[in-house]
Amino acid sequence: GENVEQHPSTLSVQEGDSAVIKCTYSDSASNYFPWYKQELGKRPQLIIDIRSNVGEKKDQRIAVTLNKTAKHFSLHITETQPEDSAVYFCAASMGSARQLTFGSGTQLTVLP
Amino acid sequence: NAGVTQTPKFRVLKTGQSMTLLCAQDMNHEYMYWYRQDPGMGLRLIHYSVGEGTTAKGEVPDGYNVSRLKKQNFLLGLESAAPSQTSVYFCASSYWTSGGSNHEQYFGPGTRLTVT
Repeated sequence: GENVEQHPSTLSVQEGDSAVIKCTYSDSASNYFPWYKQELGKRPQLIIDIRSNVGEKKDQRIAVTLNKTAKHFSLHITETQPEDSAVYFCAASMGSARQLTFGSGTQLTVLP
Repeated sequence: NAGVTQTPKFRVLKTGQSMTLLCAQDMNHEYMYWYRQDPGMGLRLIHYSVGEGTTAKGEVPDGYNVSRLKKQNFLLGLESAAPSQTSVYFCASSYWTSGGSNHEQYFGPGTRLTVT
C-alpha cells in the first residue's frame, strides 16, 4: 500500500517568516495530495490540495508544490502568523474510493 | 445542513465491553470512511464504504466491524474493546463524480474513546 513520510515533525518559526513542510509518497498511482490543518481538539480542515497533473498551486499565503518524478510534495506558508500554529498533515489519495494515506504530522509553532 | 456528525463525542469503556460509534452525513455522499488518530500519528484508515450496503477494509481493520445499511449512516463497532483501541475516531464522507474528479473528504468532529 501507499506510504507517506512527513518532515519535520516539529517546526518553530518567528512571526513573519516562512515555513516549509515536506512529504514523500511511495506509490506512483497516487494522484491527489491534500494538506490538512488540525487545531488542538478539532477535526482536520483542508487548507489546500493539488492533483497529479499540476506542479504548483497557490492560495494567498499558502502554496503547494508537487514533483511527481521524485514523488514528493511540499507545503509553503509565507508571512506566518500566530494563528497558523497547529498540526499540519499531508496525505496522498489513490484507489477507486479515494482512500487517503496520511503523513505523521508537523507541529508548527509561530513565535510572536 | 449539519454536514458530518458523530455520536457520541466521548466514551469510556472497560476492556471487553462493546460499543457502536455512529457517523451521519446529510450531504448525500456516496463514500464514507472511518479513521483513528493516535498521539503523534496521522489518521489511519480503518474501514470505508463506497455506497449503501458495501464496506471494505482499510489499513488497520482488526478489532473493528462496520455497517452501512443506509446511505447517510456509517457505523463502527467494537465487539470486545481493548486498551490499544484508545484513540480519537474520525468519520469522513466524500461525493462521487463521473470521471472521478472529486477527492475532498469532509470530516466529522471526532469521538474520543478511552478503554481502561
